Amino acid sequence: QQQVKQSPQSLIVQKGGIPIINCAYENTAFDYFPWYQQFPGKGPALLIAIRPDVSEKKEGRFTISFNKSAKQFSLHIMDSQPGDSATYFCAASTNDYKLSFGAGTTVTVRA
Amino acid sequence: NAGVTQTPKFQVLKTGQSMTLQCAQDMNHEYMSWYRQDPGMGLRLIHYSVGAGITDQGEVPNGYNVSRSTTEDFPLRLLSAAPSQTSVYFCASSWRGAGETQYFGPGTRLLVL
Repeated sequence: QQQVKQSPQSLIVQKGGIPIINCAYENTAFDYFPWYQQFPGKGPALLIAIRPDVSEKKEGRFTISFNKSAKQFSLHIMDSQPGDSATYFCAASTNDYKLSFGAGTTVTVRA
Repeated sequence: NAGVTQTPKFQVLKTGQSMTLQCAQDMNHEYMSWYRQDPGMGLRLIHYSVGAGITDQGEVPNGYNVSRSTTEDFPLRLLSAAPSQTSVYFCASSWRGAGETQYFGPGTRLLVL
C-alpha cells in the first residue's frame, strides 16, 4: 500500500501550459516532501523539495504548493516546454531513513 | 566525480539463478539505498544502509540481500531469481539519510525468465 498517492497517471499539455500534479499522504509524521524528475533510460534527479513549515516554494518554473491541513502537495510547471516531458515522482519521508514515492506521472508537453 | 555508478546496465537471468548488482559512489556519502521501479508503482525501497556495516530492510526486502563493507560500495544480491523480480533497479546515495537530496545511479534493467 503506497503511503503517497499521486495523480494523474499521465497528462498532456501544449507548450506554455501549466501541468499540475497532485499528491496526498496520511502519515502526519512526514516532514520532507521532494519531487524527482526522470527522463527515459535515466535515474531520477531531485527537482525541488519542501518542508511543512512553508506553504509554497518556487525554483525557476517549478512550484510546490503544500497544504498541511489537507495533507496534500502539488507540483506546478509554469510555461511548460517540450524539454519538460518526463516522469515526475512525488515522495515523502519522516525523520528516519525511508523515502516513500508516489506512483509517478508522465508529462508530455506538445510543441 | 563519477557520482553513483551501477553495473551491469542490463542482465537476463533464468529463474533460480543468483546474481549481484553492483553500486558504487565516490561522494563519501554515508547513506545508500536500493529501489526497484515497476510500471504504475513508482520506486519502492528494498534495503538501505546508514554506514559501513549497518544495513536495514525497506518496503520490499524479500528475495534480496545486501551488505556494506565499505563506504563506497553497496551491492544487492538476488539469491534465487524469480520472474517477479523483473524490474529496473536503482541505487541512490546521500550524505546522511532519506530527508535530503538522493543521488541516483543510471539503473540496472533485469529480466528474469
